[in-house]
Amino acid sequence: DTAVSQTPKYLVTQMGNDKSIKCEQNLGHDTMYWYKQDSKKFLKIMFSYNNKELIINETVPNRFSPKSPDKAHLNLHINSLELGDSAVYFCASSATQGLRETQYFGPGTRLLVL
Amino acid sequence: EDQVTQSPEALRLQEGESSSLNCSYTVSGLRGLFWYRQDPGKGPEFLFTLYSAGEEKEKERLKATLTKKESFLHITAPKPEDSATYLCAVESRGGADGLTFGKGTHLIIQP
Repeated sequence: DTAVSQTPKYLVTQMGNDKSIKCEQNLGHDTMYWYKQDSKKFLKIMFSYNNKELIINETVPNRFSPKSPDKAHLNLHINSLELGDSAVYFCASSATQGLRETQYFGPGTRLLVL
Repeated sequence: EDQVTQSPEALRLQEGESSSLNCSYTVSGLRGLFWYRQDPGKGPEFLFTLYSAGEEKEKERLKATLTKKESFLHITAPKPEDSATYLCAVESRGGADGLTFGKGTHLIIQP
């Protein structure tokens, strides 16, 4: 069974569109994250979220918004897509926020904005 | 701001040729240092967590060590299947905002 799954695996879309990426974890974890891996393969945190708080990296444009329908899901919504949004987006989860907990990553969603 | 620097950026070894990867970090109070392996087209796969200077952890041909300023990932007698990008990440005491990653070391083991 896949611990952290993401859909879709690939997403190709036009500039200006709105899109969503779904993430689900079956580990029973309390905290989920979104990371962006750019063309230089550099992984950078975008959001961390548990049932108490959302922490947003200050460099993330407000066109990006995470939405959590329940503890096992954290979806990423992106409005008005731009060329620079092209990257691989990874979802991750950990048992609790911080406290040295290991984060487990999904397989990634490859977004290409044309 | 937390910073993680990995070296070398790329490393090509012959099968059986041992070596070490370096991860230097600057954080405001280290909560944990993590090593991940990433294969092409996949998400990072957890390898080790180190919490305090002097700590060491081993898994098969890999051994991770930690000092107050850096961590090493030692690879002993590597095999071609060890080829991957190895990522180092830190969590600091300010650390409610996820892991700070280095850019990784792309390791190639030639048969």
